[in-house]
Amino acid sequence: DIQMTQSPSSLSASVGDRVTITCRASQGISNFLVWYQQKPGKAPNLLIYAASILQSGVPSRFSGSGSGTDFTLTISSLQPEDVATYYCQKYNTAPLTFGGGTKVEIK
Amino acid sequence: QVQLVESGGGVVQPGRSLRLSCAASGFTFSDYGMNWVRQTPGKGLEWVAVISYDGSKRNYADSVKGRFTISRDNSKNTLSLQMNSLKPEDTAVYYCAKDRVGGGVAGREMDFWGQGTLVTVSS
Repeated sequence: DIQMTQSPSSLSASVGDRVTITCRASQGISNFLVWYQQKPGKAPNLLIYAASILQSGVPSRFSGSGSGTDFTLTISSLQPEDVATYYCQKYNTAPLTFGGGTKVEIK
Repeated sequence: QVQLVESGGGVVQPGRSLRLSCAASGFTFSDYGMNWVRQTPGKGLEWVAVISYDGSKRNYADSVKGRFTISRDNSKNTLSLQMNSLKPEDTAVYYCAKDRVGGGVAGREMDFWGQGTLVTVSS
């Protein structure tokens, strides 16, 4: 099965900072990658699908890129409401494996 | 608006069974694949199972294959997860989640999630 590895596992940044999270697949998955945001005590929320397409209603400070095995989620200007854990997930074939998550905090 | 409401969680002894349900509303349930995803308290997400819009295709995580069965009743807008031979490591919050795109390919990005139901497997 394909493994999904996220880095870093956690980060702390200041409001207004540019934040980058990476996700690496153990084999190529084309662009079948999604990013979710999960705030404490809540269900995950879809941010980006097909590696780079912003879900309706998601702020434009979020962006995604990549194809094949290496993917990136970028928050261009970190806001207090972005404090959450971010997960990537591949969906080219089952199993639909998640990455281990990246916890984002405000410095 | 889309609503997914899970029920059926609780405390169960190892080796016993439990059935989870997810009541769907606010969209044409029979058009979309549906998933179960679980999250161990304080840990990450684990995809469990997916079923196609018409119930003809199902896939499972290796960790639950042969023990869990996903099913759906399109006449009642309900998704189910039958969990047998439960193990302590099945303890988690279980979410049902809808595929963003309808049609024949099930197991896609998930655009709506329920609030989750907690399953605790303990003697």
